[in-house]
Amino acid sequence: RKEVEQDPGPFNVPEGATVAFNCTYSNSASQSFFWYRQDCRKEPKLLMSVYSSGNEDGRFTAQLNRASQYISLLIRDSKLSDSATYLCVVNWGGNNRKLIWGLGTSLAVNP
Amino acid sequence: GAGVSQSPRYKVAKRGQDVALRCDPISGHVSLFWYQQALGQGPEFLTYFQNEAQLDKSGLPSDRFFAERPEGSVSTLKIQRTQQEDSAVYLCASSLSEREAFTDTQYFGPGTRLTVL
Repeated sequence: RKEVEQDPGPFNVPEGATVAFNCTYSNSASQSFFWYRQDCRKEPKLLMSVYSSGNEDGRFTAQLNRASQYISLLIRDSKLSDSATYLCVVNWGGNNRKLIWGLGTSLAVNP
Repeated sequence: GAGVSQSPRYKVAKRGQDVALRCDPISGHVSLFWYQQALGQGPEFLTYFQNEAQLDKSGLPSDRFFAERPEGSVSTLKIQRTQQEDSAVYLCASSLSEREAFTDTQYFGPGTRLTVL
């Protein structure tokens, strides 16, 4: 099993659609979880951290399921500008600051 | 304020040539990370500094890769005798805290795209 796994997509959705991405991780000791966004040929930028209780930021909702070792990202009312690659990132536990990155899920929002 | 900067943005090297990639982190950021991102892949961790100390270099793929941060600010990633498989984008990131703050946001530079012919 890969350390962090994502469906690479691409996901093609119309404007206004709701889309959800899942990510699974293999290390049960992982403590911190993030979603980053990366536009084509640009650097990754933090979209949101993922907290145990789940968290929401506008149209974006992130959830963590420790028992099943997955995190999710839900985008509501998708916009053209949401088109990007969404990277699932997991801190590898303990004192280790190493972040393990998924391959990313590609999203294309179409008019 | 100024973000993380990297130079050069693009580098073309002949196989066997040595290259040096520079990273200027955000002023005051204690932690600095180097990543390698191949096309269609997520970033792969290379090494991590806390101030001038290199605390983790487990991701460096071979002894041809060397990183330093002598004064705890600017960092250089050096690749000796480059090979074609070294072609990738090399990303530098910095974060503020020196504590065991696992929720630190990492701020990325634009990357250096290295092409080895």
